[in-house]
Amino acid sequence: EAQVTQNPRYLITVTGKKLTVTCSQNMNHEYMSWYRQDPGLGLRQIYYSMNVEVTDKGDVPEGYKVSRKEKRNFPLILESPSPNQTSLYFCASRLAVYNEQFFGPGTRLTVL
Amino acid sequence: GIQVEQSPPDLILQEGANSTLRCNFSDSVNNLQWFHQNPWGQLINLFYIPSGTKQNGRLSATTVATERYSLLYISSSQTTDSGVYFCAVGSDYGQNFVFGPGTRLSVLP
Repeated sequence: EAQVTQNPRYLITVTGKKLTVTCSQNMNHEYMSWYRQDPGLGLRQIYYSMNVEVTDKGDVPEGYKVSRKEKRNFPLILESPSPNQTSLYFCASRLAVYNEQFFGPGTRLTVL
Repeated sequence: GIQVEQSPPDLILQEGANSTLRCNFSDSVNNLQWFHQNPWGQLINLFYIPSGTKQNGRLSATTVATERYSLLYISSSQTTDSGVYFCAVGSDYGQNFVFGPGTRLSVLP
């Protein structure tokens, strides 16, 4: 089944403890992105990647890192999480620039 | 950057009613999608529709790119249609995919 998967789905952590949220797609898509969703602020793009080893900042990149070493994987790294990074995170992928984007199931992160 | 507006912000319907949701955007786009976010938070793809008209069962969508708007029609609404409907657009070679604020739909039995 064609899909975007994220892990973990739920995570509660403490300030400053490094964490990684994994994202994987099995559709051979070139473009992958990370978004966060916050009440009153909607969905905002954090980072995107146009292909392996090619990444760029979205609208809210501060406090996040990404890497794209393989086409199928696009992990989101929080080196030192803070409470303002408590949010619902989505990974997404699409074949190319003008194609339909598909979203993962979301990761609900709480930073205490 | 591109601005996306959606109306109405909230909509309450009786089961069986029809509705129209609107998405306005401020610049030309090369990518437009409609999503349904269900009560569990999942984003469900409804339509990829940068221009033209599409239909899928009780749902249909129309995008008039030259006038910078898109419409989502829901006919014979069901309680399972409840949730938030988002319009999202892409331009500038698609890197920046911008979501509208959403329309929250509640369908009452």
